[in-house]
Amino acid sequence: DGGITQSPKYLFRKEGQNVTLSCEQNLNHDAMYWYRQDPGQGLRLIYYSQIVNDFQKGDIAEGYSVSREKKESFPLTVTSAQKNPTAFYLCASSITSAKTGWGTEAFFGQGTRLTVV
Amino acid sequence: QKEVEQNSGPLSVPEGAIASLNCTYSDRGSQSFFWYRQYSGKSPELIMSIYSNGDKEDGRFTAQLNKASQYVSLLIRDSQPSDSATYLCAVNIMTTDSWGKLQFGAGTQVVVTP
Repeated sequence: DGGITQSPKYLFRKEGQNVTLSCEQNLNHDAMYWYRQDPGQGLRLIYYSQIVNDFQKGDIAEGYSVSREKKESFPLTVTSAQKNPTAFYLCASSITSAKTGWGTEAFFGQGTRLTVV
Repeated sequence: QKEVEQNSGPLSVPEGAIASLNCTYSDRGSQSFFWYRQYSGKSPELIMSIYSNGDKEDGRFTAQLNKASQYVSLLIRDSQPSDSATYLCAVNIMTTDSWGKLQFGAGTQVVVTP
């Protein structure tokens, strides 16, 4: 089955610890995104990538890092510099998102709930 | 000014009525617009995409786009209790340094009352 897989579904982080959230897609999509969602809020863009070995900061990139070494994988690391990381993290992918303003539909994984303990 | 704006709601709609949701965006160059539905605790699912001015219908859903006025709307006809969810507007926004990015509004919560 084609789709986007996020793991783990639930993750607990201790203070001062880095954690990495996994996102894998087998849809052959070029564009991948990471969003953060807080309770009762919309989706805020953390990082996005349109091609391998290239990615851009979104609106709330501080305290996060990403890599895009393979087309199908876009892991997100929540570093200890992120002071309030408890949230629902969503990964999405789309065929493309061109600079001309055209972009295709994005599809989401099931999300990872991160909690600081 | 936020790049994508929606009324947060909640929007209370009687069962069988029409729910009307609005979304405005700031980037005049945007060409791609999407509506997602998100149930509580779940990830968003795509329900409509629209690229050209005018109306696009899919079942009980109709998306309307007006690029000149920079708004996109979603109508839900014959609203059902199962339509109770948060509806997210998404717009492909051009960036100055590289590719486009998919930006979301804060979402409008819809509550369909029996």
